Amino acid sequence: AQSVAQPEDQVNVAEGNPLTVKCTYSVSGNPYLFWYVQYPNRGLQFLLKYITGDNLVKGSYGFEAEFNKSQTSFHLKKPSALVSDSALYFCAVRGTISNFGNEKLTFGTGTRLTIIP
Amino acid sequence: DSGVTQTPKHLITATGQRVTLRCSPRSGDLSVYWYQQSLDQGLQFLIQYYNGEERAKGNILERFSAQQFPDLHSELNLSSLELGDSALYFCASSVSGTPNSYNEQFFGPGTRLTVL
Repeated sequence: AQSVAQPEDQVNVAEGNPLTVKCTYSVSGNPYLFWYVQYPNRGLQFLLKYITGDNLVKGSYGFEAEFNKSQTSFHLKKPSALVSDSALYFCAVRGTISNFGNEKLTFGTGTRLTIIP
Repeated sequence: DSGVTQTPKHLITATGQRVTLRCSPRSGDLSVYWYQQSLDQGLQFLIQYYNGEERAKGNILERFSAQQFPDLHSELNLSSLELGDSALYFCASSVSGTPNSYNEQFFGPGTRLTVL
């Protein structure tokens, strides 16, 4: 079974400082990893994904994530936080697709990011 | 705007009732996924359809069912509703559905169901 852990329920960062939202995963085989963001009363919005290749993945709104296979982690990062980055962030994993039925996303519990002006 | 639409936005009903949630995927997407988001369970996968056929099942109760129609829109039917069914129900769609594809899923705005 696949699983995702987001160890921090809440992360507070001062505006302009770098931010990191942590994610670790467990999956059989190679992982496909995703980050989504949820703003209040909105659906989940795709930020970035890791499938294969370069361990540093760049996504929307200046976010990036670093895949570390040995630590089974996929931390979300941004060099300089904006107040508008305040939202709920979800990490998700999907196992290697070898057949149909393996495309479901397994989500972490979410991390609420608050950027302090 | 993800291109995935869901109706209604809000639904308030009583225990024991039946409701239908509707989802239209992005143009060209053949796969539709349903997820439930609740405070105690988090975001959980319910079911996936690909081009009209059920493809995968997750933690979906027997009281819940879904289908995908020829025009690719999907409906999630929830019956004999209980207080614990109150949640945000998301639909997502993707191009994928074929082996070795890994496209991201695009989520709709959700339907907030309140069971009183």
